Amino acid sequence: EAQVTQNPRYLITVTGKKLTVTCSQNMNHEYMSWYRQDPGLGLRQIYYSMNVEVTDKGDVPEGYKVSRKEKRNFPLILESPSPNQTSLYFCASSLYPPERVSSYEQYFGPGTRLTVT
Amino acid sequence: EDQVTQSPEALRLQEGESSSLNCSYTVSGLRGLFWYRQDPGKGPEFLFTLYSAGEEKEKERLKATLTKKESFLHITAPKPEDSATYLCAVQEGLGTDKLIFGTGTRLQVFP
Repeated sequence: EAQVTQNPRYLITVTGKKLTVTCSQNMNHEYMSWYRQDPGLGLRQIYYSMNVEVTDKGDVPEGYKVSRKEKRNFPLILESPSPNQTSLYFCASSLYPPERVSSYEQYFGPGTRLTVT
Repeated sequence: EDQVTQSPEALRLQEGESSSLNCSYTVSGLRGLFWYRQDPGKGPEFLFTLYSAGEEKEKERLKATLTKKESFLHITAPKPEDSATYLCAVQEGLGTDKLIFGTGTRLQVFP
């Protein structure tokens, strides 16, 4: 089954304790993104990756790191989490970036609900 | 500043009562506009991509249209299973693959 998986689905942690949220897709997609979703603010893009070893900042990259060493995986790293990073996080993937295709279709993972105390 | 605004924030419809959701945007050169559906506790689900003014896409009871300043998602004879939050996203300008999302319209359809 074609899908984007994220782990963990729920995480409660404390300020400053490094954490990684994993994201994996089994569709051989080139393009992957991380978003956070907050009430009243909608989905905001954190980082995106056009392909292996190619990443770029989205709208809200501060406090986050990503890596793309393999095509299928795109982990999100919070080196020193803070309470303002409490949010619902989504990973997404698509075969190509939005501007390269006539019908861009992006698949989202199920989400990771992170609470930082 | 590039922005995407969706209206209304919430919409309650009786089953069979057709209506439209609006997504207005201000970007310097639209590259693409995307509609998604999001059910509670789940990730957004892709619905449509629109690239140029005048373009239309249809899927079951949904029809998306695009003008130079806004997009509409028309829902014809909705059913309770159409209840969800509908999100609009715009690809920002030239030379970037960043997407800007609106805050969504929460649709409830009652039997």
